[in-house]
Amino acid sequence: DGGITQSPKYLFRKEGQNVTLSCEQNLNHDAMYWYRQDPGQGLRLIYYSQIVNDFQKGDIAEGYSVSREKKESFPLTVTSAQKNPTAFYLCASSPGQGNQPQHFGDGTRLSIL
Amino acid sequence: DQQVKQNSPSLSVQEGRISILNCDYTNSMFDYFLWYKKYPAEGPTFLISISSIKDKNEDGRFTVFLNKSAKHLSLHIVPSQPGDSAVYFCAATPYNFGNEKLTFGTGTRLTIIP
Repeated sequence: DGGITQSPKYLFRKEGQNVTLSCEQNLNHDAMYWYRQDPGQGLRLIYYSQIVNDFQKGDIAEGYSVSREKKESFPLTVTSAQKNPTAFYLCASSPGQGNQPQHFGDGTRLSIL
Repeated sequence: DQQVKQNSPSLSVQEGRISILNCDYTNSMFDYFLWYKKYPAEGPTFLISISSIKDKNEDGRFTVFLNKSAKHLSLHIVPSQPGDSAVYFCAATPYNFGNEKLTFGTGTRLTIIP
């Protein structure tokens, strides 16, 4: 059953701590993306990767970091430099060739204690 | 600068009637448009898309219309069903090798009244 798995579903962080959100896909997609959703707002792009070992900043990359060491994995680290990390984080993937839709995981909700 | 706008935060429609969700964009470089449906605490699900070379695309109960001169697209759902109650996001991207940078609207919450 192909899809995108994000874990954990809920995550709590103390102020000043880094935290890493997991995203794994078994769709054999080349491109992967991280978005953030805040209440009443659309999805905003944090980082994206079109190919292994390469990634680009999106619109709101400050305070976040990513890696793409494997095709199927694209973890996102929320660092202590991110001033307002409480949000719903969504990972997506797409074939990366031509106009094809992105497919999303079920998200991770991050809250600050 | 909101390049993709969904000006109606919410919409209520009677079951069986037509639901029309609207989306406006400002970036003339956008040429591929998508609609996603989202339930609470879940990821968005792709619904339907349209390329700028078309003005209409239909898939079952869902039809997307694109008016390039007005920079406007709409999603029609007919007939509306209770399971259609969700938040609908419109998204757009310029043509690229892959759609790396989707720009999303803020969403419209659709409620279908039984």
